[in-house]
Amino acid sequence: DAGVIQSPRHEVTEMGQEVTLRCKPISGHDYLFWYRQTMMRGLELLIYFNNNVPIDDSGMPEDRFSAKMPNASFSTLKIQPSEPRDSAVYFCASSSALGQPIQNIQYFGAGTRLSVL
Amino acid sequence: QKEVEQDPGPLSVPEGAIVSLNCTYSNSAFQYFMWYRQYSRKGPELLMYTYSSGNKEDGRFTAQVDKSSKYISLFIRDSQPSDSATYLCAMSVGRADKLIFGTGTRLQVFP
Repeated sequence: DAGVIQSPRHEVTEMGQEVTLRCKPISGHDYLFWYRQTMMRGLELLIYFNNNVPIDDSGMPEDRFSAKMPNASFSTLKIQPSEPRDSAVYFCASSSALGQPIQNIQYFGAGTRLSVL
Repeated sequence: QKEVEQDPGPLSVPEGAIVSLNCTYSNSAFQYFMWYRQYSRKGPELLMYTYSSGNKEDGRFTAQVDKSSKYISLFIRDSQPSDSATYLCAMSVGRADKLIFGTGTRLQVFP
């Protein structure tokens, strides 16, 4: 398997623009997570899905952030409008209970480095 | 106060040294403990996991959990330059619960 695939790897945009980050989880995984990583706050969970249904979005910082998972192989995280304080590395991760001793072993993508000017 | 605290480092050691990385936590309900390794400009990857208290060894790596002190450790023996990375601890209450991550400790092993 190719692992979790994220695109784009880098995104530079101007304040006020809409940003869409994309994620393809590992095939067969039923959990998908979106994280944001900054030096100050570390790795923060934004939202996670189980079987394409959002389970916990308490980490989404505000209404400017939204996430969707239209099917088992694709998810998006959208920021509209973007602000400079949204600059961070955004990670997608997926997991599955099948074949795992515990359910919450997560496999991460390489991340999208977002810079909002 | 954060649920999980981790010294950000950087920790710089010579090749061959024994490295000790630590996390403290406040939620006594945590039962699942993990260590992730993150190389520069990469995503975190699982290194080790443990359930409840005790030790677990995997090659040069040993994970320890002391629930009475709410303290977990990762030891790296015979450290190598290839171990240079950021190490993040993570923990959860239940088997299927979301993970709470520490901020990570940056480790540099110089030849």
